[in-house]
Amino acid sequence: GAVVSQHPSRVICKSGTSVKIECRSLDFQATTMFWYRQFPKQSLMLMATSNEGSKATYEQGVEKDKFLINHASLTLSTLTVTSAHPEDSSFYICSGFLNEQFFGPGTRLTVL
Amino acid sequence: GEDVEQSLFLSVREGDSSVINCTYTDSSSTYLYWYKQEPGAGLQLLTYIFSNMDMKQDQRLTVLLNKKDKHLSLRIADTQTGDSAIYFCAEQTGRRALTFGSGTRLQVQP
Repeated sequence: GAVVSQHPSRVICKSGTSVKIECRSLDFQATTMFWYRQFPKQSLMLMATSNEGSKATYEQGVEKDKFLINHASLTLSTLTVTSAHPEDSSFYICSGFLNEQFFGPGTRLTVL
Repeated sequence: GEDVEQSLFLSVREGDSSVINCTYTDSSSTYLYWYKQEPGAGLQLLTYIFSNMDMKQDQRLTVLLNKKDKHLSLRIADTQTGDSAIYFCAEQTGRRALTFGSGTRLQVQP
């Protein structure tokens, strides 16, 4: 199957700093990528839909100015958590769409 | 909107069969998925079924879909301790994102 990578796999940062998470489709071109968030012991919740070359579509309750998404190429989407706070600590998972969704391994963000 | 529900916990003995159930509300779902997530790890796709099918078998896994009742189940035969994990069902309509259930924690006792 198609492969999606994420970098970094884990990141710890101080409150108030910004963190960038990369999502890459390694062997296919993904015109659409999705970003999900999973809090401990909870399910995955869609944050936003990222379309190559256009603005991301955010789900209700997700602040677009806080979670900046850039999908500049067909193989790379980035999620930047700006001015991170402890409540942003979560597991962030991206997926690329090619007939079906292929998920990255996830990035665990811890904000101190 | 779409809603997907699962029971939270299931405990079985090693060697028994496990059945994890899921209900969904979107009658226009095109694909239904089962994912496995081990502690601290990402998602592993186990299997999926097209909405026009009612059963799919893949080695120890059997998926049953009752479209009329919007009920999906995953049966794991000869459950092993390595099957202990959280299992998520998810539905997809068209090219939209997946809607996930709350996850079922499967505990396999030796």
